[in-house]
Amino acid sequence: TQLLEQSPQFLSIQEGENLTVYCNSSSVFSSLQWYRQEPGEGPVLLVTVVTGGEVKKLKRLTFQFGDARKDSSLHITAAQPGDTGLYLCAGEKAAGNKLTFGGGTRVLVKP
Amino acid sequence: DAGITQSPRHKVTETGTPVTLRCHQTENHRYMYWYRQDPGHGLRLIHYSYGVKDTDKGEVSDGYSVSRSKTEDFLLTLESATSSQTSVYFCAISEAGGGETQYFGPGTRLLVL
Repeated sequence: TQLLEQSPQFLSIQEGENLTVYCNSSSVFSSLQWYRQEPGEGPVLLVTVVTGGEVKKLKRLTFQFGDARKDSSLHITAAQPGDTGLYLCAGEKAAGNKLTFGGGTRVLVKP
Repeated sequence: DAGITQSPRHKVTETGTPVTLRCHQTENHRYMYWYRQDPGHGLRLIHYSYGVKDTDKGEVSDGYSVSRSKTEDFLLTLESATSSQTSVYFCAISEAGGGETQYFGPGTRLLVL
């Protein structure tokens, strides 16, 4: 069992539709990050959330950190083919040197 | 893009042979990490370094060793490769530990036959 569980594991939608990816844990994190990874490349950071209840927006992407800092969600509005990729959440436990990654959600946006 | 390179990018080896992967950075970042990525498991930390000659284990360190003799280089060695170590290996760097942004290299695809 992973410390951070992502759901769904795979999501296939049509261009223009909305989607939400979830990242859940029973542990509290001092911060949580979302990365996107494209085939053949390393992950790239999208956002970091640090405060319980925090909402951050990055164009059509909305990130939320749960009030208890145990979970997070990523919502994409009007998805485009360029949003296709593997989305990974990663959490930092209190005062640690390391990140723990979730298993990832593979998103496919069809034109 | 952060200056991180990994070598080799692809490698095929046989069970029982030693393998060394290299990560090189030009950013002078203090922290360096080695992850492996397998389907359904996301990224799992193997070892990390918080300075020259300062390293610590991650969650899947068995069968792996690391060395960091210079700020810019972090080596991952599989002492005796096994088929279960077939994976994609990523190096990452960050200025500080914890929740600091990690910048990833392009990955090394390793196949152990």
